[in-house]
Amino acid sequence: EPEVTQTPSHQVTQMGQEVILRCVPISNHLYFYWYRQILGQKVEFLVSFYNNEISEKSEIFDDQFSVERPDGSNFTLKIRSTKLEDSAMYFCASSPRVGRGGPLAKNIQYFGAGTRLSVL
Amino acid sequence: QKEVEQNSGPLSVPEGAIASLNCTYSDRGSQSFFWYRQYSGKSPELIMSIYSNGDKEDGRFTAQLNKASQYVSLLIRDSQPSDSATYLCAVRNFGNEKLTFGTGTRLTIIP
Repeated sequence: EPEVTQTPSHQVTQMGQEVILRCVPISNHLYFYWYRQILGQKVEFLVSFYNNEISEKSEIFDDQFSVERPDGSNFTLKIRSTKLEDSAMYFCASSPRVGRGGPLAKNIQYFGAGTRLSVL
Repeated sequence: QKEVEQNSGPLSVPEGAIASLNCTYSDRGSQSFFWYRQYSGKSPELIMSIYSNGDKEDGRFTAQLNKASQYVSLLIRDSQPSDSATYLCAVRNFGNEKLTFGTGTRLTIIP
């Protein structure tokens, strides 16, 4: 069964360093997402990406964050200067696009296993 | 104001019994509703999706939606120890791509 793949599974970094979290979405999916989950808290939306541009982002997704689809398979999340409070589990998700004006409501998001980011 | 609310639990249910999980949401524009299961340290895994008022059944799982009351629930019949996990309610609003999650309900099935 196709799945969303994330690497690395655990990333340890020093405060102020840049990190790049990588994701390979399901191959025929067109919408890509990043969520994060701070330990013991709820899953929070960061950003959605479609047709090579950001389609929606949350207030968490500030100038320190960026996303990119550098090639036909990878989808990355970059944090430019990590803070202690960026420590969390970061989940990538993808979904098929049913089509503009179609039953978008029924678009299912499939999650990867996550990358645990520890900022020291 | 919280957008999606769930009782955090823990909810303990004997093996073989019915587990009932509840979720309320604040935005009347909410269009799509999902239940995800999350084992400790793992990613959310989709259990059920529901879009229309009423019940939707899939195996041992039944999702129920009442848009007038802004309420969605998940019933798990014949509960198994492997059902022990945190169950996340997620909502998508009209015109948005993002899922808004509740804090989750921790369910423990007692053998």
